[in-house]
Amino acid sequence: AQKVTQAQTEISVVEKEDVTLDCVYETRDTTYYLFWYKQPPSGELVFLIRRNSFDEQNEISGRYSWNFQKSTSSFNFTITASQVVDSAVYFCALSALRDDKIIFGKGTRLHILP
Amino acid sequence: DSGVTQTPKHLITATGQRVTLRCSPRSGDLSVYWYQQSLDQGLQFLIQYYNGEERAKGNILERFSAQQFPDLHSELNLSSLELGDSALYFCASSVDRIGSPLHFGNGTRLTVT
Repeated sequence: AQKVTQAQTEISVVEKEDVTLDCVYETRDTTYYLFWYKQPPSGELVFLIRRNSFDEQNEISGRYSWNFQKSTSSFNFTITASQVVDSAVYFCALSALRDDKIIFGKGTRLHILP
Repeated sequence: DSGVTQTPKHLITATGQRVTLRCSPRSGDLSVYWYQQSLDQGLQFLIQYYNGEERAKGNILERFSAQQFPDLHSELNLSSLELGDSALYFCASSVDRIGSPLHFGNGTRLTVT
């Protein structure tokens, strides 16, 4: 069975601090995809990144970076120099080749304090 | 704008009633997913369709059903509604069956009184 665990329910940091959101996944498939989504206070869900299981290269996009480590089944998300606009709920998700479902973690609510 | 359209945005109904939520996927997307988000809960996967065919089922109650029509729009039917069904229901679409990012609609907020 597939599972996504986001152990951090809620995090608060002061603006300009760096913050890392953890995501641990479980799957028996060797081919799978990992995603991060952002849900700001307005409620919509915004796609941030996709990674497939064969690409362990870390990715950086502006202030956002992602660290994928198959050895620890983790796909962590770091925001550098956080801003108030980063305040949102962030979801990690998993999709395995042999299962059409996309399973989401319970999300981490991030508060960036001015 | 994700290109996914969900109607209605808000729905208030009484226990025991039946409602239909509608979703139009992004142009070109063949897969439609339905998720339920309750207060302080994550996104619970309900069901997925690909090009009109049901592909995967999650923890969807027997009182709930869905379908995808030939024009690829989808409907989620919720019947014998209970207070606990109050939630935000999201539809999402993607190009392929698996591996493609989901593009979410703005959701339908269902309140059962």
